[in-house]
Amino acid sequence: QVQLVESGGGVVHPGRSLRLSCVASGFTFSSSAMHWVRQAPGKGLEWVAFISYDGNNKNYADSVKGRFTISRDNSRNTLYLQMNSLRAEDTAVYFCAKEGHATKFQTFDVWGQGTKVAVSS
Amino acid sequence: DIQMTQSPSTLYASVGDRLTITCRASQSINNWLAWYQQKPGKAPKLLIYKASSLEGGVPSRFSGSGSGTEFTLTISSLLPDDFATYYCQQYNFYWTFGQGTRVEIK
Repeated sequence: QVQLVESGGGVVHPGRSLRLSCVASGFTFSSSAMHWVRQAPGKGLEWVAFISYDGNNKNYADSVKGRFTISRDNSRNTLYLQMNSLRAEDTAVYFCAKEGHATKFQTFDVWGQGTKVAVSS
Repeated sequence: DIQMTQSPSTLYASVGDRLTITCRASQSINNWLAWYQQKPGKAPKLLIYKASSLEGGVPSRFSGSGSGTEFTLTISSLLPDDFATYYCQQYNFYWTFGQGTRVEIK
């Protein structure tokens, strides 16, 4: 079945780095644009980053621009989020999400279960 | 940036009630609007896309309407499984979510 599984979360000190991974299965990963979305404790959803199906186009939320980098390895069906210079306000559950196709273009039709990141001294 | 504002923030309802949640955009987004349902500790689930198109497998008691800057999500007859938080999302220009509407038992 269609599935996204995130990993790589944990507790990290402010200023340090962390890399999240998201492994896809059950669909043609190399044909799908992908996103990262986060949710701070008790808060709503915040879009973080986008990458096109081939990795040539990327966009970031202003809150992470210059600190986070989204990338993908289509040979490994894996999406990444490299997070540098982490701040307390980056504490959240991070979800990867698959972008839909055709009439569902730019919606998020498949989500992973999320991985928790806690930035604390 | 496009801001999305949902109302109400919390809605108290009973099984069988008809429910309407409103989402307003700070500028026109045409009909590039989606609705998601999220239950505690779970990932969001796509319900509606392009303002009024029902995602496959989503019950027909869910419906969406609107265009431009004002949109609604309606649940025609609330079931116990529908108590959750609902988010609207614009995808006309990048992606922005509303702050969420929590549907709780009255």
